[in-house]
Amino acid sequence: GQQLNQSPQSMFIQEGEDVSMNCTSSSIFNTWLWYKQDPGEGPVLLIALYKAGELTSNGRLTAQFGITRKDSFLNISASIPSDVGIYFCAGLKRNTDKLIFGTGTRLQVFP
Amino acid sequence: EAQVTQNPRYLITVTGKKLTVTCSQNMNHEYMSWYRQDPGLGLRQIYYSMNVEVTDKGDVPEGYKVSRKEKRNFPLILESPSPNQTSLYFCASSLSRPGKNPLNFGPGTRLTVT
Repeated sequence: GQQLNQSPQSMFIQEGEDVSMNCTSSSIFNTWLWYKQDPGEGPVLLIALYKAGELTSNGRLTAQFGITRKDSFLNISASIPSDVGIYFCAGLKRNTDKLIFGTGTRLQVFP
Repeated sequence: EAQVTQNPRYLITVTGKKLTVTCSQNMNHEYMSWYRQDPGLGLRQIYYSMNVEVTDKGDVPEGYKVSRKEKRNFPLILESPSPNQTSLYFCASSLSRPGKNPLNFGPGTRLTVT
């Protein structure tokens, strides 16, 4: 089955730094979602994007729906220790019920 | 409290011994789904259900069965588990079609098959 490719696979950054990660596909998606998984827990929705070019923020997090509809980006500004976890993108194609998840980006933040 | 619950949270079993992982949600959600999480592969969908008595295969359904006899429950059945089914399993639910409605994930079930 299709999967979305996330980059980078893992990141080790210092507290206060900004973070950028992306999610790419060979197919077009109509909805892009970003989830965060804290250690030992299930993923939780961070941001949902529904239109090409859309830029949406949630606190220090900003996500963008790529204009080609084949990619999406997530930025975290001024990282803090509780940002640690795995970030997943997910995409939904038009007229389908299958949400396809990315391979994940593992983020570590050092004080 | 609105939530998705899974049981058991941890399970170690042997090859071939049938097992069931239960999933229950108390939010009257129509959509329910099972995922497995493996390092480097992210979350892969096993089966999903749009409503009672309606189930569909996800990307990796082989070796698994599900049923949706009631709206709140969506058990995952491994008739004859094998070591390649060792994984972290998540059940999730949403009000209706995912994407428009947030997916609520359970806490996960870590399964080891020896």
